[in-house]
Amino acid sequence: DAKTTQPTSMDCAEGRAANLPCNHSTISGNEYVYWYRQIHSQGPQYIIHGLKNNETNEMASLIITEDRKSSTLILPHATLRDTAVYYCIVRSLNAGGTSYGKLTFGQGTILTVHP
Amino acid sequence: NAGVTQTPKFRILKIGQSMTLQCTQDMNHNYMYWYRQDPGMGLKLIYYSVGAGITDKGEVPNGYNVSRSTTEDFPLRLELAAPSQTSVYFCASTQRGGNTEAFFGQGTRLTVV
Repeated sequence: DAKTTQPTSMDCAEGRAANLPCNHSTISGNEYVYWYRQIHSQGPQYIIHGLKNNETNEMASLIITEDRKSSTLILPHATLRDTAVYYCIVRSLNAGGTSYGKLTFGQGTILTVHP
Repeated sequence: NAGVTQTPKFRILKIGQSMTLQCTQDMNHNYMYWYRQDPGMGLKLIYYSVGAGITDKGEVPNGYNVSRSTTEDFPLRLELAAPSQTSVYFCASTQRGGNTEAFFGQGTRLTVV
């Protein structure tokens, strides 16, 4: 699985957009970009994922560069409850491959939303 | 819909004891995973299973064993507990064959003393 690089920590003011970057320069064609977050020590929570097109759901938007080497997770109006560790994960969905479906977690980005 | 359920939530073990962490999912998912998370670190894959009767090692399998006799259950066995196994353990499941999300349980916090 491709490795990802994220900033260790970021701050954001409540109500503003939080833009979390992720570098995945060795991503291959059958690997998706997934974002999860973990609040306190709860189980990771799925946010969004994409292959090469930008994606949006009720929680966030995902912007993937054209060369797919990096992406940005956007929380459009951050709230205090968005304070969490955010993980950018590259996930192989090459059926039959040994790494199929596995999520490989890095250190993530600690996002702190302040009033 | 209960999702992924882990038991127990907390456990203290003495060195050398053994225990089984239970994980069950009611979503008929083929793929199941066990992760551990040490303080301040990301999750590391211990074992995974792609279906009943099929399991394989992840990054950190030493000291653990798994079995998958049914689609729903994926227990993790610790033999001869050691202080290095003090961690939070997460079970996850996902459907096969699509770019779907993985669902995580709420974790088991294990302390070995």
